[in-house]
Amino acid sequence: DTGVSQDPRHKITKRGQNVTFRCDPISEHNRLYWYRQTLGQGPEFLTYFQNEAQLEKSRLLSDRFSAERPKGSFSTLEIQRTEQGDSAMYLCASSDAQTGELFFGEGSRLTVL
Amino acid sequence: GENVEQHPSTLSVQEGDSAVIKCTYSDSASNYFPWYKQELGKGPQLIIDIRSNVGEKKDQRIAVTLNKTAKHFSLHITETQPEDSAVYFCAAALREYGNKLVFGAGTILRVKS
Repeated sequence: DTGVSQDPRHKITKRGQNVTFRCDPISEHNRLYWYRQTLGQGPEFLTYFQNEAQLEKSRLLSDRFSAERPKGSFSTLEIQRTEQGDSAMYLCASSDAQTGELFFGEGSRLTVL
Repeated sequence: GENVEQHPSTLSVQEGDSAVIKCTYSDSASNYFPWYKQELGKGPQLIIDIRSNVGEKKDQRIAVTLNKTAKHFSLHITETQPEDSAVYFCAAALREYGNKLVFGAGTILRVKS
């Protein structure tokens, strides 16, 4: 399968714990995006990378959130000191600069107890 | 920033009928308008997109129309089938800024057989 891959698909954690999500984009895509989706809403932009450079971060991305894409391939999204309001689906997408079409992964669902 | 509104929030149609979902956007600079279909527990899937230099695009039973003057665009699904039942999201973006998509709130489409 050459689509966008996310891991884990589900994560249940206690408030205050740290969690990390991984995204493997489509191999030839140089842009990678993180979005957050809560129940009944459309995805909201968090951040995006072109190759290894993080080019934009949303104001939704508080200091407890950090994203990396160290070698321009896979990316990680870490949430420190989780809060119940962090419960959501975290979606990763990738695109190539030419077409601009975003392809999403299946998401990582976070539940903070 | 960009704001996208989507209507209706729910839509029920009889199998074989047509379905229309409408979106309006606020930023006249936006030039890329994709539509995504999301099934339960899955990530959004790109079904069709349109760029601001065209007014209409078709792909089999799916068509999208764009009115730049009025800043609205619509998704048309003809001959609906039960497998079309899902949540549909419209989005808008400015391609020169990395295709950071701003999504509507979604439309739940139910096709009754």
